[in-house]
Amino acid sequence: AQKVTQAQTEISVVEKEDVTLDCVYETRDTTYYLFWYKQPPSGELVFLIRRNSFDEQNEISGRYSWNFQKSTSSFNFTITASQVVDSAVYFCALSDRAQKLVFGQGTRLTINP
Amino acid sequence: AAGVIQSPRHLIKEKRETATLKCYPIPRHDTVYWYQQGPGQDPQFLISFYEKMQSDKGSIPDRFSAQQFSDYHSELNMSSLELGDSALYFCASSLDRGWYTEAFFGQGTRLTVV
Repeated sequence: AQKVTQAQTEISVVEKEDVTLDCVYETRDTTYYLFWYKQPPSGELVFLIRRNSFDEQNEISGRYSWNFQKSTSSFNFTITASQVVDSAVYFCALSDRAQKLVFGQGTRLTINP
Repeated sequence: AAGVIQSPRHLIKEKRETATLKCYPIPRHDTVYWYQQGPGQDPQFLISFYEKMQSDKGSIPDRFSAQQFSDYHSELNMSSLELGDSALYFCASSLDRGWYTEAFFGQGTRLTVV
């Protein structure tokens, strides 16, 4: 069975600090996809990134970066120079070829001014 | 660009009533997924449809049923509502090309059972 674990339930930092959200996954599939979603207080799910299991290259998008390591089954997300607008719940998710998503429990990130 | 449309956005029902949630996928998308997100919880997969046929099933209660119509929109019917059914319900759609394609989420329907 697939499983995603986000051990950090809540994180609170001061604006401009860097913050890393951890994600560990379990799957027996050799082909799978990993995601990060942002859920602001308004409730919608905002897609941030998708990686497939064959692409371990790290990715940077502005202040966001992702570190994918198959050896440790981790897909961590770092926000550099955090801003108040980054405050949200962040979900890591896993999908196989069937495309349905298995989500982690989410990390509530609060950025204080 | 057109997105996934869910209606209504908010719905308040009493216990034991029935609710119908609607999802209009992105044009030309043939696959629809439903997820349920309880308060403080992560979204849980309920059911999916491909070309109007049920393709996968998750932890969907027997009181719930869903279908995908000829125009590819989908409806989630929920009967004998319970307080625990209060949640945010997401619909997502994708286009099946034989390999993975991204699923796009709607903004969700917030159901409150009182």
